[in-house]
Amino acid sequence: GAGVSQTPSNKVTEKGKYVELRCDPISGHTALYWYRQSLGQGPEFLIYFQGTGAADDSGLPNDRFFAVRPEGSVSTLKIQRTERGDSAVYLCASSPRTGYSTDTQYFGPGTRLTVL
Amino acid sequence: TQLLEQSPQFLSIQEGENLTVYCNSSSVFSSLQWYRQEPGEGPVLLVTVVTGGEVKKLKRLTFQFGDARKDSSLHITAAQPGDTGLYLCAPKVGGTSYGKLTFGQGTILTVHP
Repeated sequence: GAGVSQTPSNKVTEKGKYVELRCDPISGHTALYWYRQSLGQGPEFLIYFQGTGAADDSGLPNDRFFAVRPEGSVSTLKIQRTERGDSAVYLCASSPRTGYSTDTQYFGPGTRLTVL
Repeated sequence: TQLLEQSPQFLSIQEGENLTVYCNSSSVFSSLQWYRQEPGEGPVLLVTVVTGGEVKKLKRLTFQFGDARKDSSLHITAAQPGDTGLYLCAPKVGGTSYGKLTFGQGTILTVHP
């Protein structure tokens, strides 16, 4: 069956530019998560959607980062005025329900963002 | 803020050897998950442990949750090159943060044939 897909797989941009990263979760999954993983580190939580609403955006580093999920399925992570420090792999995950500590999150392969 | 420590950070061994990686914290967790991540891929869930002292086995992998639910270990018996990857622990706490995972730094395991 189809897993979580993310596009593009790689994105190279220049400092100051705007980028959008897309996540297609597993069909029917209500919970969607974005994480950021820097080289040599574990993933770091950014934002979590329950349906269309952002239930927890406490991990977004600043107001240059924004994410939407308008119809409760596909999500887009938007980064304005990119900085070199934004370079990382951005991972998306989905799970069939939310609020349970033992839920399985299914991860996509990530988008590697490089800011020159 | 919980402090989460995984050790060792790097591990390079020969095929057939045994190994253990650790995940430690000063906080008590409601549950803990172990993931494995290969290059170019997202993490894949291996196991979830919930009860203090719990031991779970997955083929050659043995996972243990500490009695006080503050630490966990992953033991691999007779490692194979296919075990190579980044091993991440992700404990969960109760309350409003339950929807998200907080990962450790990970252990990079390389198994040489």
